[in-house]
Amino acid sequence: AQTVTQSQPEMSVQEAETVTLSCTYDTSENNYYLFWYKQPPSRQMILVIRQEAYKQQNATENRFSVNFQKAAKSFSLKISDSQLGDTAMYFCAFMKKSNTGKLIFGQGTTLQVKP
Amino acid sequence: DAGVIQSPRHEVTEMGQEVTLRCKPISGHNSLFWYRQTMMRGLELLIYFNNNVPIDDSGMPEDRFSAKMPNASFSTLKIQPSEPRDSAVYFCASSLSSGSDTQYFGPGTRLTVL
Repeated sequence: AQTVTQSQPEMSVQEAETVTLSCTYDTSENNYYLFWYKQPPSRQMILVIRQEAYKQQNATENRFSVNFQKAAKSFSLKISDSQLGDTAMYFCAFMKKSNTGKLIFGQGTTLQVKP
Repeated sequence: DAGVIQSPRHEVTEMGQEVTLRCKPISGHNSLFWYRQTMMRGLELLIYFNNNVPIDDSGMPEDRFSAKMPNASFSTLKIQPSEPRDSAVYFCASSLSSGSDTQYFGPGTRLTVL
């Protein structure tokens, strides 16, 4: 069975600084997808970034980028130039490439951006 | 696009009552997922549909929970009878297809069972 671990329950960062959130996962699969979702206080789950395991290039979306280390089964999220609106809980998620589409979520990391 | 729509946003009910949560997926999406979020268990998949057909309901906690998708634009999750331990946030998500496509989440329904 696949598992996703986020070892940092809470983190904080000063506005405009850079912060990295950690995520590790365990799987015997070779084809899969990894995601970071953001959940602000509004509770809405918002997709931040997606990585396909067969792609070696790290995904980027504006200020958000990932460091995907397939051999180490690590998938960290880097937020550059942190903004107050980035304050939220961040979830790392794994999905096996199959016909199921089942997302396995980590426990989440609460990020506080301080002014 | 309006995104995934869920109703109600908040539901407070008493133990033993029937609760029905509703979801409208993004138009054109063929897969629909119901998740539950609690402090103790985090986010967990309850059931998912592909082309209106339930594919995997292994996450449904017990027989008190049931889900239907009568057409491509509507799904319900019903709890009968409800219990206090069912209190959680219930999310509906949809994707173009299952297996490889990104899931887009609705705003969730916060259920409180007294």
